[in-house]
Amino acid sequence: GAGVSQSPRYKVAKRGQDVALRCDPISGHVSLFWYQQALGQGPEFLTYFQNEAQLDKSGLPSDRFFAERPEGSVSTLKIQRTQQEDSAVYLCASSWDRGDYGYTFGSGTRLTVV
Amino acid sequence: SQQGEEDPQALSIQEGENATMNCSYKTSINNLQWYRQNSGRGLVHLILIRSNEREKHSGRLRVTLDTSKKSSSLLITASRAADTASYFCATLSNSGYALNFGKGTSLLVTP
Repeated sequence: GAGVSQSPRYKVAKRGQDVALRCDPISGHVSLFWYQQALGQGPEFLTYFQNEAQLDKSGLPSDRFFAERPEGSVSTLKIQRTQQEDSAVYLCASSWDRGDYGYTFGSGTRLTVV
Repeated sequence: SQQGEEDPQALSIQEGENATMNCSYKTSINNLQWYRQNSGRGLVHLILIRSNEREKHSGRLRVTLDTSKKSSSLLITASRAADTASYFCATLSNSGYALNFGKGTSLLVTP
């Protein structure tokens, strides 16, 4: 596609519910990144994929967070047993490489846990 | 944790004026990038400057980089109301995989 597509755009989850957030990167982009952005803050790195390999997951806040990119294109970020502190905008970005030419971001998924 | 720190946190100017935002970072970098984020939207890449460059221009944007001071500045000349947004600097370390973003500067340009 022409850009990075994320769905859903908004998600309201009850505390304890599992959620799955989807990212469709730009076709051919090798690198895919997930970021978490709290209100009024900058994006915080969660995890990085190079094709289907998850090379860095150091930013995932707990073992309730899990990401996958099984065929090296679409990626899913799953959060199990959501908690209120998980409320944030989740941004996906893709790039030709790890960052030498800039990222293309999606519009994000705004997750609200009630 | 966030690598960069933008200054000021908020900036309000009138159309036609220039806007300057600063960014400081902590570790050695491969490159530094600036992004814009309109309210409720994703980030848009504006400009990238490599560690061996000192200044770069793109349209009304001018970026400088001082690696000895670990700082960068973004200048927007002849600002327009459409420039109203949050601006973030992001750094790529030599050993890292991903960009590290600062907390951003919120720019308001009034007609």
